[in-house]
Amino acid sequence: DADVTQTPRNRITKTGKRIMLECSQTKGHDRMYWYRQDPGLGLRLIYYSFDVKDINKGEISDGYSVSRQAQAKFSLSLESAIPNQTALYFCATSVGRGIGQETQYFGPGTRLLVL
Amino acid sequence: EDQVTQSPEALRLQEGESSSLNCSYTVSGLRGLFWYRQDPGKGPEFLFTLYSAGEEKEKERLKATLTKKESFLHITAPKPEDSATYLCAVRTGFQKLVFGTGTRLLVSP
Repeated sequence: DADVTQTPRNRITKTGKRIMLECSQTKGHDRMYWYRQDPGLGLRLIYYSFDVKDINKGEISDGYSVSRQAQAKFSLSLESAIPNQTALYFCATSVGRGIGQETQYFGPGTRLLVL
Repeated sequence: EDQVTQSPEALRLQEGESSSLNCSYTVSGLRGLFWYRQDPGKGPEFLFTLYSAGEEKEKERLKATLTKKESFLHITAPKPEDSATYLCAVRTGFQKLVFGTGTRLLVSP
C-alpha cells in the first residue's frame, strides 16, 4: 500500500466551485505539505504544517486554504476555483526531527482542471 | 532570491550512452540538495540528499555529486527504464524546498 495517498486522482470542476483535495499518510510523519506543479515552473509550495496545531503559508497560498484534521490527514481547499488553478497538486510528508528530517516524500498527485 | 536552474531541459540518449545532468543553485545557506525522479503522471520519487561540497551518493546507475555552486547527476550506461524527469531541489531553511524545473531524460533502446 502507498505511504502517501491523495484523493481524488483526477478532478474536473467549474469556475466558482469549492473543491477539496485530500491527503493521508501512513508514514507516521509530523510534517505535511501541499505543492502545485505547472509546466515550466516546477513545484511551488502552497501550505505546510509541522503538526496538527501548526499551519503556515507557502509562496503561493492566495486562493487556497488547508485543514490538518489529524497527524495523518491534510486537506487543501479551493474556496472558489478559477481556471489558473488548473495544475497538478502534490502532497508531501517529512519526519519532524532526527536523521533524514529534511527529506520530503510525495504522494501520487491530483490532476485538477478548472473550466 | 534563492534559485535553482537545471540543464539541459531535455536529453536524449542511446542505451548505454553515459551522460550528466546539471543543477546549479544560488541560495543563502544551503541546508541540503535533493534529487528526485518523476515519471509521467506520478509524484516525485526521492533519490538522494547531499549536504556538503565533495559529497557523493550512488544508487545503481546513478551517482550524484555536489560542489559549492552545483550538483551533477551522472547516469552510467543508462537503460530505457531510466527515462523520466529528474528534479533537483535545495533546502534553504525551515523545511522550504526550492525546486528546479527538471531535466526530461529519454533513453532509447
